[in-house]
Amino acid sequence: SQKIEQNSEALNIQEGKTATLTCNYTNYSPAYLQWYRQDPGRGPVFLLLIRENEKEKRKERLKVTFDTTLKQSLFHITASQPADSATYLCALGPDSNYQLIWGAGTKLIIKP
Amino acid sequence: DSGVTQTPKHLITATGQRVTLRCSPRSGDLSVYWYQQSLDQGLQFLIQYYNGEERAKGNILERFSAQQFPDLHSELNLSSLELGDSALYFCASSPRDWIFTDTQYFGPGTRLTVL
Repeated sequence: SQKIEQNSEALNIQEGKTATLTCNYTNYSPAYLQWYRQDPGRGPVFLLLIRENEKEKRKERLKVTFDTTLKQSLFHITASQPADSATYLCALGPDSNYQLIWGAGTKLIIKP
Repeated sequence: DSGVTQTPKHLITATGQRVTLRCSPRSGDLSVYWYQQSLDQGLQFLIQYYNGEERAKGNILERFSAQQFPDLHSELNLSSLELGDSALYFCASSPRDWIFTDTQYFGPGTRLTVL
């Protein structure tokens, strides 16, 4: 069955460094991959979309890569700030139900 | 603020009871999605409505049902509640019947606690 894996352990990064989060998937060939940010007790907020034929997408301090051979997406936050601390979710689609499949998220902690 | 509203914010109830969660999508959005998020779990897609019609069903239990009304607001009904139904329930909306290149806008969620 289709499976998405994100690091279940929290990622601790020093302020100013680059944070890199990983989203791996198996038994699946998604056409689209999205990254969301979720703060505690709140709904996810869309950050970036990347298509299967795109290798990289950037938006301000954010960068996403999509490697369909490795079946992996990397999400980078450069010059990280404590305000970037949150849980980051990846979502892939479409699945057989024409919906997104969601990873469980990785908690990112940026220390001052 | 995403423009999606959900009520109530918190709900505490007992096993066996029935509750209704309400969602108002962003102005102009025709699609509404319901998701369940349990502790340390990813979002589980429950059901999608587009312009009043059911569009797709995910892993939604038979005890759960939903509908979208003519004014496009949606309700998720959960009945015969069990302890395992305790979770955050999110509603999201999007402009069209296509979420892969459209942004989904999520509401603040309803936290359901079943005792």
